[in-house]
Amino acid sequence: DAGITQSPRHKVTETGTPVTLRCHQTENHRYMYWYRQDPGHGLRLIHYSYGVKDTDKGEVSDGYSVSRSKTEDFLLTLESATSSQTSVYFCAISESGAGVSEQFFGPGTRLTVL
Amino acid sequence: GENVEQHPSTLSVQEGDSAVIKCTYSDSASNYFPWYKQELGKRPQLIIDIRSNVGEKKDQRIAVTLNKTAKHFSLHITETQPEDSAVYFCAVRSNDYKLSFGAGTTVTVRA
Repeated sequence: DAGITQSPRHKVTETGTPVTLRCHQTENHRYMYWYRQDPGHGLRLIHYSYGVKDTDKGEVSDGYSVSRSKTEDFLLTLESATSSQTSVYFCAISESGAGVSEQFFGPGTRLTVL
Repeated sequence: GENVEQHPSTLSVQEGDSAVIKCTYSDSASNYFPWYKQELGKRPQLIIDIRSNVGEKKDQRIAVTLNKTAKHFSLHITETQPEDSAVYFCAVRSNDYKLSFGAGTTVTVRA
């Protein structure tokens, strides 16, 4: 597995609380992605980054923000968690953009919002 | 993003038989089509991919075929084994180096 870690791996929180998920890579890859995985929907892109401080929205970005201050770290923040954000969140990295080089996934974070 | 439809959603096959999963997409400009395998509780992992200038690609028991005119591509697994049991996702590259995924197919190989 590529050098990708996610923290925390599991989290239970309450509606309305802020939550930050961290993705850390040791591969020095330029591109980083955040996906959520829900039954019947596959993997849906939330946000992605194409360099330090360079980020863009994916297809399900409402309610989420991201930051990338260092090459190795990509943070996903839920400013005020809702039950609809209960999901499994995967981070992914690629050396070049998707389709140019392989995209590697992290181990995932299971988030439950009560 | 790209609209990717994947069928079937579940597939049960006898060990040794073949399994076929099909995906359709909407953007004729799409040019990269990977397949990922996700075992229970694990992360998705790339198993094979194909680019638009190629019609078919094989890797041992796995093959992918692409029909650009009809905008569909398929994953073929031959001589299925119990370790092939997993969820399989197709994906399509859209603009800005993003992937759009199908909803997934749960494959169960019966011994």
